[in-house]
Amino acid sequence: DIQMTQSPSSLSASVGDRVTITCRASQGISNYLAWYQQKPTKVPKLLIYAASTLQSGVPSRFSGSGSGTEFTLTISSLQPEDVGTYYCQKYNSAPWTFGQGTKVEIK
Amino acid sequence: QVQLVQSGTEVKEPGASVKVSCRASGYSFTSYYVHWVRQAPGQGPEWMGTIHPGGGTTTYAQRLQGRLTMTTDTSTSTVYMKLSSLRSEDTAVYYCARSMIVFVIASPYDYWGQGTLVTVSS
Repeated sequence: DIQMTQSPSSLSASVGDRVTITCRASQGISNYLAWYQQKPTKVPKLLIYAASTLQSGVPSRFSGSGSGTEFTLTISSLQPEDVGTYYCQKYNSAPWTFGQGTKVEIK
Repeated sequence: QVQLVQSGTEVKEPGASVKVSCRASGYSFTSYYVHWVRQAPGQGPEWMGTIHPGGGTTTYAQRLQGRLTMTTDTSTSTVYMKLSSLRSEDTAVYYCARSMIVFVIASPYDYWGQGTLVTVSS
């Protein structure tokens, strides 16, 4: 099975900072990569799919890039409401594996 | 609007089975794959399996093969997830989630159920 590895596992940044999260696949998955945001006690929310396509209604400060085995999620200007845990997910074929998550906090 | 409404909290003893329902509304039920994802306390999501509500075709995670059964009832637009031979490690919040793209299995999830807490404890 393809493994999805995120880094860092957690980060603390100031409001307005640029934040970057990396997700690496153990084998190539083309652009079949999604990013989800999960706030405490809430259901995961789709932010980006096809590695770089912003889901409808998601603020434009979120962006995604990458293809093959390396992907990034960038928050261009961190806001207080962005606190939560971010997960990448491969969805090209079974199993639809998630990364272990990156917890984002405000400094 | 699209909604996925799941059944309520369950408490089960080790060795028992649990069946969680996910009732869909607001879209063509038989046109979109439904996945089940679970999340143990403090852990990331774990994909469990998927079902095509129209044809009943299923794909399960290998580690759950033999314990997991997904079924569908098109008359009530409901998908069911049954997990048997429960153990403490199965304690988690269980979610159903809809594939975003019609008829396409290789798709992320755009709508999720509210989650069902299943606790396995003696």
